[in-house]
Parts: sequence; C-alpha cells; structure tokens
Amino acid sequence: KNEVEQSPQNLTAQEGEFITINCSYSVGISALHWLQQHPGGGIVSLFMLSSGKKKHGRLIATINIQEKHSSLHITASHPRDSAVYICAVVDPWGGSEKLVFGKGTKLTVNP
Amino acid sequence: GAVVSQHPSWVICKSGTSVKIECRSLDFQATTMFWYRQFPKQSLMLMATSNEGSKATYEQGVEKDKFLINHASLTLSTLTVTSAHPEDSSFYICSARKQGSSFDTQYFGPGTRLTVL
Repeated sequence: KNEVEQSPQNLTAQEGEFITINCSYSVGISALHWLQQHPGGGIVSLFMLSSGKKKHGRLIATINIQEKHSSLHITASHPRDSAVYICAVVDPWGGSEKLVFGKGTKLTVNP
Repeated sequence: GAVVSQHPSWVICKSGTSVKIECRSLDFQATTMFWYRQFPKQSLMLMATSNEGSKATYEQGVEKDKFLINHASLTLSTLTVTSAHPEDSSFYICSARKQGSSFDTQYFGPGTRLTVL
C-alpha cells in the first residue's frame, strides 16, 4: 500500500512570502495530483504531473520520480491562497484508478 | 475545462431518512465516477468506484446496502444514503474520469455536506 506523507501539516505565512509544501510517497506511481480545498470544502485540481515541472500563474509543482517526492510552490503568496493543499497519488498496485491521499497541509496567509 | 457538479451542496435530514446526492459531469462524458467521504480534519477516503452501466465497486468497510450508487448515464451518478444516522454526517465528494482520458485524470465535484440530526 502506498503511504503519502505531506509536510508541513500546518503553515502560516505573511502575504508575499514564498511557500513550499512537500509530498513524499513510498511506492512508485504513475501520476501525482495537487488539490486545493477551500474552507467551504470544495476541491479544485491544481496540477496532475508524472514528471518534471508544471507552472500555472503563481503556482509551481515539481516531481522527482526517483526520489518519490513532489513539491508545490506558491510565489508571492496572498491571503486568498489560504486553503488546505492535498497531495494524491495514483496507486498502480491497487488494481484500479484509486487515488491515495495525503492528510493535507493547511496554509494560512496573513495580510 | 472539465466541470463536475454536485447537488445538493448541503443537506440536513432527520435520522432514519434517505438522502440522494447527484454528481454530474457537465461538459464531458464520464465512464467512471468515484465517491469519497471526508470527516472533519481528515483526508478523503474512497467509498466506491462507479462505472456507467454496471455495479459499483465498494471499498472494504463500506456497506453497499447503505450507500447505494447508481451510474445510469455517462453524465450522472447518484449516491443514496439510506436510513441515515448521525454518524453518516460527513462531506461527500465525487470525481469523474473523462471518457477516453488516461486513468490518472480525475475531475472533482465541489462536495455535498450531509448533516443527520
């Protein structure tokens, strides 16, 4: 079974700071998702990546397949970035398209 | 983009009643939909995988007779919580895999918050 660990669990930053959230997994995967969950609960898919790096606006996601590690970066953070960020991996050994989720990182950006 | 909606967004019901939650893919056809449950301050837990036109596959520990899933069309899956009890209060989220896409791609709905009194 794939274990997904995120760090830190909680993160508080000042507006404008550069943010990094980390995700490690134990078993080789085919793809990794970064999701954003706002206080109301709705989930938005930010990235899906299987190698290298992707960028969307102020968000950057990287993945190192050999090291089984991914990072989500937020540049010039803003209070509206406050949310829970969840890493999820596709478990190829599960026999289906199951996603295995990390417990999330709660980000609070203060003005 | 690929949009998934859920209805209702929140529901409050009395213990013993049944509640139906709809998950719709608005601009694409979804051969597979997934139902997740999230308890406060916990991660999402997969409940079942629903394939259009066939029976859902339930995860271990999820009662199929209590959580009825129907995926009657390529754009609609429903989850019915039967004889709901307060312990069923949770946030229910669906996701959908676009027909023809890789199995890695899932689009998430906004979720439905169920409160059972």
